[in-house]
Amino acid sequence: AQSVTQLDSQVPVFEEAPVELRCNYSSSVSVYLFWYVQYPNQGLQLLLKYLSGSTLVKGINGFEAEFNKSQTSFHLRKPSVHISDTAEYFCAVSEGDDKIIFGKGTRLHILP
Amino acid sequence: EAQVTQNPRYLITVTGKKLTVTCSQNMNHEYMSWYRQDPGLGLRQIYYSMNVEVTDKGDVPEGYKVSRKEKRNFPLILESPSPNQTSLYFCASSFRQGHQPQHFGDGTRLSIL
Repeated sequence: AQSVTQLDSQVPVFEEAPVELRCNYSSSVSVYLFWYVQYPNQGLQLLLKYLSGSTLVKGINGFEAEFNKSQTSFHLRKPSVHISDTAEYFCAVSEGDDKIIFGKGTRLHILP
Repeated sequence: EAQVTQNPRYLITVTGKKLTVTCSQNMNHEYMSWYRQDPGLGLRQIYYSMNVEVTDKGDVPEGYKVSRKEKRNFPLILESPSPNQTSLYFCASSFRQGHQPQHFGDGTRLSIL
């Protein structure tokens, strides 16, 4: 059965510093991977997705993620964060059927 | 504008008083789903629907009902709400295939006293 682990529940980082939010998954088949962002008092919106092809995926707002099949990881990165990146980030995995599993989320705190 | 609309956004009610949270999407999506979000637990799926008149239980269906009489609407029904159903609820929709991203509503915050 598929599962998703977000290793950090909270990540504090200084403004303009780089950040990496970690996500590991388990699945016995090929997967599709997603990162969603939830700004305060809003629903989730898609940040980026990996379906196939290049393992480096670029998303909105300068974020990118790298699919690593051997390590079953899909970590999210941004080279320089801004105060507006303060949000909760969710990693999600699908095996191509109608089931999608979400991680428990990582809160990104941007420090001035 | 493509959107998923939930109503109400906020509701405070009492134990045992039936309530319905509506969800409507304008993207002609086949797949719709309800989640609840609780601190430290992330999003957990309550029910989902792959098409009209087809619904299935998610991970935490107890105490909830749904219906899918029309493609655009997917209401969540709490027949006899209890305090442990106090939570933030999200409706989402997508095309049928699992690799399609989901579109989320803005959420409904329910407090059951």
